Amino acid sequence: ILNVEQSPQSLHVQEGDSTNFTCSFPSSNFYALHWYRWETAKSPEALFVMTLNGDEKKKGRISATLNTKEGYSYLYIKGSQPEDSATYLCAFARGGSQGNLIFGKGTKLSVKP
Amino acid sequence: ETGVTQTPRHLVMGMTNKKSLKCEQHLGHNAMYWYKQSAKKPLELMFVYSLEERVENNSVPSRFSPECPNSSHLFLHLHTLQPEDSALYLCASSRDRGPRSYNEQFFGPGTRLTVL
Repeated sequence: ILNVEQSPQSLHVQEGDSTNFTCSFPSSNFYALHWYRWETAKSPEALFVMTLNGDEKKKGRISATLNTKEGYSYLYIKGSQPEDSATYLCAFARGGSQGNLIFGKGTKLSVKP
Repeated sequence: ETGVTQTPRHLVMGMTNKKSLKCEQHLGHNAMYWYKQSAKKPLELMFVYSLEERVENNSVPSRFSPECPNSSHLFLHLHTLQPEDSALYLCASSRDRGPRSYNEQFFGPGTRLTVL
C-alpha cells in the first residue's frame, strides 16, 4: 500500500507568520511530487510539480523543496496572509503508474488577520 | 468559459434513483479523471480516460458507470447508490498521460453528492 502522509493535519497562524508543512511519500520508484492549493468551495489549483531530488520551486511567497532519497517535501509560506487560508494537498506519482496521483489528506491552513 | 466545470454542484438522491454527473473541460486536454473524496479521507482516483478510452478503473463498484463521449466531456452515471457513497466527486483533466508526462492536473469544483 502506497501512503502519502501530510503533517500537520491543520495549522492556525497569525497574519505575517511564516509557516511550513511536510509531505512524506515512498522513496522508492519516485516519479513526481505535486503540490495543490484548495480553497473551500473552489477547485484544487496546482502549485508545483517537482521531479528531481533537490528541486526547489517558488511562486511568490510560497516555495517547496524535494528530497526523493528520504521521501519528503516541504512547503513554505513566507509572511502568511488571510488569502493563503486553504488546504494544501501533496500528491505522489510513482514510476510506471502513467502519472496517476496518490494524494495525502492535506494540511488545512487558517491565517488570522 | 475556461477551465474545468462540473454540474450539478450539489445533488441529493435516493438509493433507487439514477442520476448523472457531468464534467466539461475547455483546455484541449486528452486525459480526464474522476476522483472521490469521502470525509476525512484523501482524494481517491476512480477512473481515468485517455483519448476517450477508459484506461483505469480503480476497483470501483459497477453502480458507478463512467462515459467519455468526446475529449471535452466526461460523465459519471450513478445507479442504486448506497448512503456510504455520499462524498465530493471531483473531475480533473491533464494534457496527456504516460511515461513522459508529469501530468499536472486541472480540477473542477466538484459535485457534493448525498445519498439518502
